[in-house]
Amino acid sequence: NAGVTQTPKFRILKIGQSMTLQCTQDMNHNYMYWYRQDPGMGLKLIYYSVGAGITDKGEVPNGYNVSRSTTEDFPLRLELAAPSQTSVYFCASSYTTRETQYFGPGTRLLVL
Amino acid sequence: GQQLNQSPQSMFIQEGEDVSMNCTSSSIFNTWLWYKQDPGEGPVLLIALYKAGELTSNGRLTAQFGITRKDSFLNISASIPSDVGIYFCAGPPITSGSRLTFGEGTQLTVNP
Repeated sequence: NAGVTQTPKFRILKIGQSMTLQCTQDMNHNYMYWYRQDPGMGLKLIYYSVGAGITDKGEVPNGYNVSRSTTEDFPLRLELAAPSQTSVYFCASSYTTRETQYFGPGTRLLVL
Repeated sequence: GQQLNQSPQSMFIQEGEDVSMNCTSSSIFNTWLWYKQDPGEGPVLLIALYKAGELTSNGRLTAQFGITRKDSFLNISASIPSDVGIYFCAGPPITSGSRLTFGEGTQLTVNP
């Protein structure tokens, strides 16, 4: 199993540009999550999904959108990039809420 | 959002020393998780705790689920240089369903 994969690894955006961060898992997990990690800080939940077709907001959803058309994929969309969105973004998945979450390697995003 | 207070924020120790860190919250948790994050990587689960009072070991690591369900402790014995990294506690507060809350992390530095 590849586990949780994320692309791209690193991206620089200009203010106002849009982009999609890709996340794929091959473990047949129902639950998928997007977090952001600012320097020296813990992880903040942006959005999560409990299954295909179902998504819900986390702690810091403003400026982001998600979709979950398949079990495997959970893309995160930034429509109008802002400097405050400079961060490292981690995707994670788990089989159930009590199971551990497995994290991808992260996408480092710089908005200038 | 729910708050997890993790301490200490950072530790500088000599190889061979033991390490203790903890997390506390004003909320009750059903599960406590301890993750380690290496530089440039996503967090990796070290230990999961599911019952109040539970004491679980993973090699040189030992973690405990506090009996009040509002705290947890992680101990690392006989530290080695590869223990360097950021250690995060995490868990779903009883009111949050599947949503994890993360502590701010403990940065561990081990001097050879």
